Amino acid sequence: NAGVTQTPKFQVLKTGQSMTLQCAQDMNHNSMYWYRQDPGMGLRLIYYSASEGTTDKGEVPNGYNVSRLNKREFSLRLESAAPSQTSVYFCASSEFKGAAYNEQFFGPGTRLTVL
Amino acid sequence: DQQVKQNSPSLSVQEGRISILNCDYTNSMFDYFLWYKKYPAEGPTFLISISSIKDKNEDGRFTVFLNKSAKHLSLHIVPSQPGDSAVYFCAASDIQGAQKLVFGQGTRLTINP
Repeated sequence: NAGVTQTPKFQVLKTGQSMTLQCAQDMNHNSMYWYRQDPGMGLRLIYYSASEGTTDKGEVPNGYNVSRLNKREFSLRLESAAPSQTSVYFCASSEFKGAAYNEQFFGPGTRLTVL
Repeated sequence: DQQVKQNSPSLSVQEGRISILNCDYTNSMFDYFLWYKKYPAEGPTFLISISSIKDKNEDGRFTVFLNKSAKHLSLHIVPSQPGDSAVYFCAASDIQGAQKLVFGQGTRLTINP
């Protein structure tokens, strides 16, 4: 079991370029999430997908789009990267069942720098 | 508006002693709280959680205490070990937005030998 995997590990973009961050989980979880972590700010939720075929905005969705490709994969796209999107991005998954909360499992992160 | 706050950016503790990490929250709708541990260049890993119907939850060396009236929770690590050196995040969720976790800023814990 690899758990949650993310590609790439590192990326440098120029302002205005686009890219897609990939995430996959092999735990058969129904829910997946994208977070960003900035110094001194903790982790902030960008988008999440409660189940295959659904996506919802989190706290900081502006400038991002997501696709829940199938149950395993959840991608995050930056259409026109800006320096403010320089951050570490984490993907997570959980087996969420109604009101009974289950903890989220995180990938190793993608460190993105936008010049 | 920071709904979950960890006011101590860092904490240094002697090996073998107790480490106490604190977390405050402002949203009275939060009903489930979690602690995550994060090593450099890795993703956060789940440590322990507590539901708002409890005031204490224990798992080995780790105990989480919840004081709902004060909107405060704490994580106790006893005894502290060098491998506990990491950044600790508290997080919270509410019933309606239960899938959304709100994280604190994190506290960097250093255990000194």
